[in-house]
Amino acid sequence: EMQLVESGGGLVQPGGSLRLSCAASGFAFSRYWMHWVRQVPGKGLEWVSRMDEFGSITSYADSVKGRSTISRDNARNTLYLEINSLRVEDTAVYYCASDLSGRSDWWGQGTLVTVSS
Amino acid sequence: EIVMTQSPLSLPVTPGEPASISCRSSQSLLHSNGKTFFAWYLQKPGQSPQVLIYLGSNRASGVPDRFSGSESGTDFTLKISRVEAEDVGVYYCMQALQTPYTFGQGTKLEIK
Repeated sequence: EMQLVESGGGLVQPGGSLRLSCAASGFAFSRYWMHWVRQVPGKGLEWVSRMDEFGSITSYADSVKGRSTISRDNARNTLYLEINSLRVEDTAVYYCASDLSGRSDWWGQGTLVTVSS
Repeated sequence: EIVMTQSPLSLPVTPGEPASISCRSSQSLLHSNGKTFFAWYLQKPGQSPQVLIYLGSNRASGVPDRFSGSESGTDFTLKISRVEAEDVGVYYCMQALQTPYTFGQGTKLEIK
């Protein structure tokens, strides 16, 4: 069974850093582009970042560009997102997802990041 | 940035009745490879989003056939032939032609 499990969320002070992880299983992780999407509780969805299957191509939303780094370890079937200089407005549930808009479009259950003093 | 505009934002439906949600993109989502980089998602209460329709009008695996997607230029439509109680939640459209990928505002479907 295909599964994406995010971890690493929690309470962080403004200006702090966090590294989110997404462990994949049940599918050929190394064959797919992977993404991070976030959602402020009670609000809509915001795409955050993506990485190609080889770990060579990355893209970021303007809201996190320059503060975030997406990476992956295909040997460990794991996707990462590191966010620095965290702001209150980064508070959200962060989802990892595969192959957005494609046949193998799957999402994890999300991990909550709360930025507050 | 491509803007995705959904309507309606709220959709009360009687069980067994049809429902339709529209999404308009600010530019064509047709790639030079012939694929349309557009999807419909349903986020049920307390759950993560799940894809219903991918690459424009293809029903995802496991999605009931009462769901269908169509496209005409920059206009996309999700139709539910007969709404069931389990269909409640927020429906989102999304474009994946270019970054930043963008979502519609969401349409909340509720049962009357």
